[in-house]
Amino acid sequence: AQSVTQLGSHVSVSEGALVLLRCNYSSSVPPYLFWYVQYPNQGLQLLLKYTSAATLVKGINGFEAEFKKSETSFHLTKPSAHMSDAAEYFCAVSLRSGGYQKVTFGTGTKLQVIP
Amino acid sequence: DAGVIQSPRHEVTEMGQEVTLRCKPISGHNSLFWYRQTMMRGLELLIYFNNNVPIDDSGMPEDRFSAKMPNASFSTLKIQPSEPRDSAVYFCASSSGLAAQRSDEQFFGPGTRLTVL
Repeated sequence: AQSVTQLGSHVSVSEGALVLLRCNYSSSVPPYLFWYVQYPNQGLQLLLKYTSAATLVKGINGFEAEFKKSETSFHLTKPSAHMSDAAEYFCAVSLRSGGYQKVTFGTGTKLQVIP
Repeated sequence: DAGVIQSPRHEVTEMGQEVTLRCKPISGHNSLFWYRQTMMRGLELLIYFNNNVPIDDSGMPEDRFSAKMPNASFSTLKIQPSEPRDSAVYFCASSSGLAAQRSDEQFFGPGTRLTVL
């Protein structure tokens, strides 16, 4: 079985501070991992994905994530938070099941940016 | 491309009524997903189509829910009869890769906010 666990349903940071959103995965095979962002009243959109190439993955809007197999983690970071980063962030793991892609999403972390 | 299109964006109905949600995936995409999002249960996959064929409907809550994909450019999710506990945001998403590709990104529509009174 595959799953992702996002630690902290709500995270608050000050504008300009480091953003760290945590995601741990469980997978019986080498995982493909994703981070999606959901802005208010919108659908999810892809921030970045890990597909077993480089362990440090850079995404849009200055976000990046590092795959650490020893820690089964894929935490999302951004050096300096902007007000526009306020959104909900979802970690997801992708597995091949029955010949098709099966994606399991985490429960999400809401990021609040304080001016 | 206009992205994934969903209609209506908002639906308010009374308990017992039939509700039909509509989705137009991105042209050329061969996989389509219906999700439901609530505060209590988060994001749940309801059903997954590949090349218009339902592949995994294990997430459909009960027989009141049904989904169809009559062609590559249109899908519906129907609830009949609707109940207050069906109130949620329903998302449609599509992806373009081969069915077996684990690296495929899903493109989400803006969602339909359903309220059942």
